Amino acid sequence: AQSVAQPEDQVNVAEGNPLTVKCTYSVSGNPYLFWYVQYPNRGLQFLLKYITGDNLVKGSYGFEAEFNKSQTSFHLKKPSALVSDSALYFCAVRETWDTGRRALTFGSGTRLQVQP
Amino acid sequence: EAQVTQNPRYLITVTGKKLTVTCSQNMNHEYMSWYRQDPGLGLRQIYYSMNVEVTDKGDVPEGYKVSRKEKRNFPLILESPSPNQTSLYFCASSFGGQGSTYEQYFGPGTRLTVT
Repeated sequence: AQSVAQPEDQVNVAEGNPLTVKCTYSVSGNPYLFWYVQYPNRGLQFLLKYITGDNLVKGSYGFEAEFNKSQTSFHLKKPSALVSDSALYFCAVRETWDTGRRALTFGSGTRLQVQP
Repeated sequence: EAQVTQNPRYLITVTGKKLTVTCSQNMNHEYMSWYRQDPGLGLRQIYYSMNVEVTDKGDVPEGYKVSRKEKRNFPLILESPSPNQTSLYFCASSFGGQGSTYEQYFGPGTRLTVT
């Protein structure tokens, strides 16, 4: 069974500093990996995905994530945080062989607080 | 505007009173899915649909029903709601048939409280 762990419930960072939100995963085969962001009273918004190819993936709003197969990690990063980045972030995984159900398994979420 | 819409956004009901949460997408997506979000558990899939008249169970289907009579709509039905179904519900949709790597688009969520 696939699973996702986000070890930090909350990450605090000062505006202008780099941020990292951690994610590790477990799958039986190869993964498709996703990051989503949730703002208050809003649905999930897609940020970026890793399907295959380059381990460094760039996404929306200046975010990027690095896929590390040996460490089974997919950490979300941004070089310079903005107060407006404060939100709830979810990492999700899907098995590549799951061509039918395509269920995303989500982590429990990490709340990012960016202080001015 | 491409979007997934859900109605109602908020619902308070009593145990046993049947309810339906609607979901509609305007992107001509084949795939649609329902998730519930509970604190500390992330999102869990309830049901999904690969196309019209094709639906199947996800991880937590007990107490729920779905139907897919039209491509754009995927309603979630609670025949006899119970307090343990109090949760935040999300509908999602995606391009493509089998093997698709496309990301899923999510609706704004429906907060359901069952007393």
